[in-house]
Amino acid sequence: GAVVSQHPSRVICKSGTSVKIECRSLDFQATTMFWYRQFPKQSLMLMATSNEGSKATYEQGVEKDKFLINHASLTLSTLTVTSAHPEDSSFYICSARGAEGQRHSPLHFGNGTRLTVT
Amino acid sequence: GDSVTQMEGPVTLSEEAFLTINCTYTATGYPSLFWYVQYPGEGLQLLLKATKADDKGSNKGFEATYRKETTSFHLEKGSVQVSDSAVYFCALILGGSQGNLIFGKGTKLSVKP
Repeated sequence: GAVVSQHPSRVICKSGTSVKIECRSLDFQATTMFWYRQFPKQSLMLMATSNEGSKATYEQGVEKDKFLINHASLTLSTLTVTSAHPEDSSFYICSARGAEGQRHSPLHFGNGTRLTVT
Repeated sequence: GDSVTQMEGPVTLSEEAFLTINCTYTATGYPSLFWYVQYPGEGLQLLLKATKADDKGSNKGFEATYRKETTSFHLEKGSVQVSDSAVYFCALILGGSQGNLIFGKGTKLSVKP
């Protein structure tokens, strides 16, 4: 089945530094990728939607200058948390849908990245 | 607005017990409905789905039926196993959206031997 690889799985960084998270579709071309953030004991909140070759669409309340999303190819999207602060500590998950998929097709998820900012 | 409400956990059951996790939704149009499972330390996996009213999704012994009249998509399993311990998320995709999922808050299931 379709596989989405997310890297790194865990990262610890100091406050003020930037962290890049990669999301790759391994056996299909992902025209649309979604980035979610999961707070402890809460649901996943959509941060942004990115389509290959165009600017990401951010959800209300998500700072686009802080959470930079790049979807430069059909198999790779990156999320960069710039000037990270402790409140950015969270679990970030990417998901992808292939070019041949219909809108209501299920998304394929990466395994997530646990970010801890000290 | 559009939303998914699922029963709060945690749910603790003994092995071979019957499981029901309730899920109801509010949505305009005709959403597709999903159950995702998150095992400890892992990402999300699709468990089952239903795309129209009266459809029944099933996988690994789990079932859920899309009930339009009650706007529900309850997850059931007749006999749970320890390996079913995980967090279960009910979700929907709206007809007019790009296809991003709207999730419920998740229900943690613990199955004891």
